[in-house]
Amino acid sequence: EAGVVQSPRYKIIEKKQPVAFWCNPISGHNTLYWYRQNLGQGPELLIRYENEEAVDDSQLPKDRFSAERLKGVDSTLKIQPAELGDSAVYLCASSSSGVSAEAFFGQGTRLTVV
Amino acid sequence: DAKTTQPTSMDCAEGRAANLPCNHSTISGNEYVYWYRQIHSQGPQYIIHGLKNNETNEMASLIITEDRKSSTLILPHATLRDTAVYYCIVRVATSGTYKYIFGTGTRLKVLA
Repeated sequence: EAGVVQSPRYKIIEKKQPVAFWCNPISGHNTLYWYRQNLGQGPELLIRYENEEAVDDSQLPKDRFSAERLKGVDSTLKIQPAELGDSAVYLCASSSSGVSAEAFFGQGTRLTVV
Repeated sequence: DAKTTQPTSMDCAEGRAANLPCNHSTISGNEYVYWYRQIHSQGPQYIIHGLKNNETNEMASLIITEDRKSSTLILPHATLRDTAVYYCIVRVATSGTYKYIFGTGTRLKVLA
C-alpha cells in the first residue's frame, strides 16, 4: 500500500513568488495534517482537516497561506507571496479516525526561498 | 505547546539497548503517548504508541509508568541506522479528531 505522497520533493523560488504543495494521503484516511518544520526544530502543525473540513487552522498564517482539501482526499497548501522566512520543510500526514490510530507522514517538500 | 519533555541528546553503543525517556506529567486519562523518529531528510516515522499498558512491536518497546506521567522507549539492540531524532508526543483530542504536537525531541546517536 502506498504511503502519504507529497510533491514536489524540493522547490526553490524567489521571494514574492507563489508556491503550492500537493499531498495525497493514504486511501481511506479521513484526517489530514499539514506541518511546517524549520531547521533543527520539531514539526509545527499548520492545519488539520477532517474529510474536507478544516477543523483546526489556528496556526496557519492566513495572510499568505491557504489550503484546501477538495472531496476530502488530496490536499494542496499554497503560499502567496512567499517570504524568505518561509524556507522550511512542509510535511503532510494522514490518519484514520480510529481512537488508537496512528498518523503517517510523507517525505515532505523542502522549500527554499531566495 | 508540547506536553512532553525529553533530553536533547543521547548516545548509545551499537548492539546495546537504547532507553529514551519522556516526561508527560500533564497527560489526561484518555490521551495516548506516541513515539516517532525522524532520520535526516525524511518525514517522521511512526514507532509505537500506548495508553496505559506496556507495548511491544517489531521496532521497539514502550514502558509507561503506572501514574502515566512518564514513559520510556526501548530499542533493544540499537544499530547505526537507529541514529535519528526521536519524538515523544501526547496525542490531544480536539474538535472531534486528534492532533500531534511535537516538541524538539531527543537526538540519538548510535556509536560503532
